[in-house]
Amino acid sequence: DAMVIQNPRYQVTQFGKPVTLSCSQTLNHNVMYWYQQKSSQAPKLLFHYYDKDFNNEADTPDNFQSRRPNTSFCFLDIRSPGLGDAAMYLCATSSRWDRGSTDTQYFGPGTRLTVL
Amino acid sequence: QQQVKQSPQSLIVQKGGISIINCAYENTAFDYFPWYQQFPGKGPALLIAIRPDVSEKKEGRFTISFNKSAKQFSLHIMDSQPGDSATYFCAASLSSGSARQLTFGSGTQLTVLP
Repeated sequence: DAMVIQNPRYQVTQFGKPVTLSCSQTLNHNVMYWYQQKSSQAPKLLFHYYDKDFNNEADTPDNFQSRRPNTSFCFLDIRSPGLGDAAMYLCATSSRWDRGSTDTQYFGPGTRLTVL
Repeated sequence: QQQVKQSPQSLIVQKGGISIINCAYENTAFDYFPWYQQFPGKGPALLIAIRPDVSEKKEGRFTISFNKSAKQFSLHIMDSQPGDSATYFCAASLSSGSARQLTFGSGTQLTVLP
């Protein structure tokens, strides 16, 4: 059963046209993360939510925003995509209190963003 | 100090051989070391993980060896199979405020030849 679901799997947008990527989870985890992964590189953390508390990484561009309306859903908004924003965007979740699982992050399948 | 260094960048192994990927870290605050396997077009999936109070962990064909004093850890894939061909990321994790911060290595692209 899918635990972290990302939609769409592939997204094509035009330079400067806002785009929203979505992530949902069935794990009831209180932490959700967004990563950017460019070709042949490691995932790079953009920001995370602990419940409704938003935590931005210092080097995440202002062009990237996020919303978490409830425990299950989290959105990544790219306000004005540039060519350099073409990448795979990964959503992940973890449980702050589930020490027994050793704080594992569970990743979704990703959304491949193409900017024309 | 937050960096995790991973080598080699790419690895080619014959079917049935042993694949070995090495990682090193500096920050002694890291307290959890997972390995992720990623196939093209997919998200990373947790493969195996270890805590620093253990020197070795084995799950099937996959073994993590951990050397706390040297701040190094490695993944060994025994009897490597073509289906193991993927990119492998080591990572190191520590508690950072409200969540766990995961620092990835640069990745190793493994190819297992039939």
